[in-house]
Amino acid sequence: AQSVAQPEDQVNVAEGNPLTVKCTYSVSGNPYLFWYVQYPNRGLQFLLKYITGDNLVKGSYGFEAEFNKSQTSFHLKKPSALVSDSALYFCAVRDGGATNKLIFGTGTLLAVQP
Amino acid sequence: GAGVSQTPSNKVTEKGKYVELRCDPISGHTALYWYRQSLGQGPEFLIYFQGTGAADDSGLPNDRFFAVRPEGSVSTLKIQRTERGDSAVYLCASSKGTNFYNEQFFGPGTRLTVL
Repeated sequence: AQSVAQPEDQVNVAEGNPLTVKCTYSVSGNPYLFWYVQYPNRGLQFLLKYITGDNLVKGSYGFEAEFNKSQTSFHLKKPSALVSDSALYFCAVRDGGATNKLIFGTGTLLAVQP
Repeated sequence: GAGVSQTPSNKVTEKGKYVELRCDPISGHTALYWYRQSLGQGPEFLIYFQGTGAADDSGLPNDRFFAVRPEGSVSTLKIQRTERGDSAVYLCASSKGTNFYNEQFFGPGTRLTVL
């Protein structure tokens, strides 16, 4: 069965510093990976996806993610964090099969201090 | 353009009551998903519609949960004889199709509280 793991419940970073939010995956077949962000009392917003091709994927709001097949990881990164990036981040993998349903991690709370 | 909308935003009910949660997907999106997000957890899949039919309802926890999408657009998630354990945020998502490259767009969710 497909799964993702987010090993950190919370990541703290100072504004202006680079940030990394970690995600590892376990899949049978090709991995189709996604990152979503959730602000308080709002729905999930799509950030980026890896389907195939370049291992470095660029997404919304200056975020990018690095796909690493040998380490089965898909870490979310940003070169310079903003206070407004503070939110809950979810990694997800497409379930195998025809429905395209997503299997989500437990989420990582990113706190950017001014 | 308009995103996915869900109503109500909050619903408080008593144990044993019946509730309906509504989802309006993005216009033209044929695929519609319902997920449930409990406190401190990631969303968990409930049911998927392609058009009017429920193509995958494997995530529904039991037969108290049912969903419909009669005209292939708006969907309603129905919960009978609610239990306190049903308290969660119910998220709806839609996508253009079910190809592996189609991302899902989520609504703001309905927070259900069962007293």
